[in-house]
Amino acid sequence: EPEVTQTPSHQVTQMGQEVILRCVPISNHLYFYWYRQILGQKVEFLVSFYNNEISEKSEIFDDQFSVERPDGSNFTLKIRSTKLEDSAMYFCASRQLSGGNTIYFGEGSWLTVV
Amino acid sequence: QQQVKQSPQSLIVQKGGISIINCAYENTAFDYFPWYQQFPGKGPALLIAIRPDVSEKKEGRFTISFNKSAKQFSLHIMDSQPGDSATYFCAASINAGYSTLTFGKGTMLLVSP
Repeated sequence: EPEVTQTPSHQVTQMGQEVILRCVPISNHLYFYWYRQILGQKVEFLVSFYNNEISEKSEIFDDQFSVERPDGSNFTLKIRSTKLEDSAMYFCASRQLSGGNTIYFGEGSWLTVV
Repeated sequence: QQQVKQSPQSLIVQKGGISIINCAYENTAFDYFPWYQQFPGKGPALLIAIRPDVSEKKEGRFTISFNKSAKQFSLHIMDSQPGDSATYFCAASINAGYSTLTFGKGTMLLVSP
């Protein structure tokens, strides 16, 4: 079964450093998302992306965050200057444009900011 | 108004028993209510979903009950098995699911052998 793949699975970074989390969505999907889950908390929406632009973003997704689809397959989340409170599991997700509303999640990238 | 409230936070059920997880919402614009199952170290995976035009949907041992007037929906797992032990998230969305998901806080289910 096709799946969303994410790298790295775990990253430890120092506060203030830039981090890039990478995702390869399912190949025929055109809508992409980043969600995050702080340990023990609920899954929270960060941003959605379609047609090479952000279609929706949450209050969490401030100027420190950016997303990009640099080529035909990768979808990245950049955190410019990490803070301790950015420590979380970041999930990439994707879905078809039409013909199915199921959002498929990757296994996540666990970010630890020290 | 965007919140989805989920209870209980954790649940222990004996093998063969019925697991029941409840969710409530405020936003009447929500029109798609999925349940996601998450195993440790994995991403959430869609388990079952319901639209508000029906009051119940069943898929195998999993049933969603939906009460539109009360703005509540619940997941019932019949004949619970140890392999069902996972965290379950209810969620809600607008535009028939073609929009972002708002998740509940999750319920950690443990099915004892």
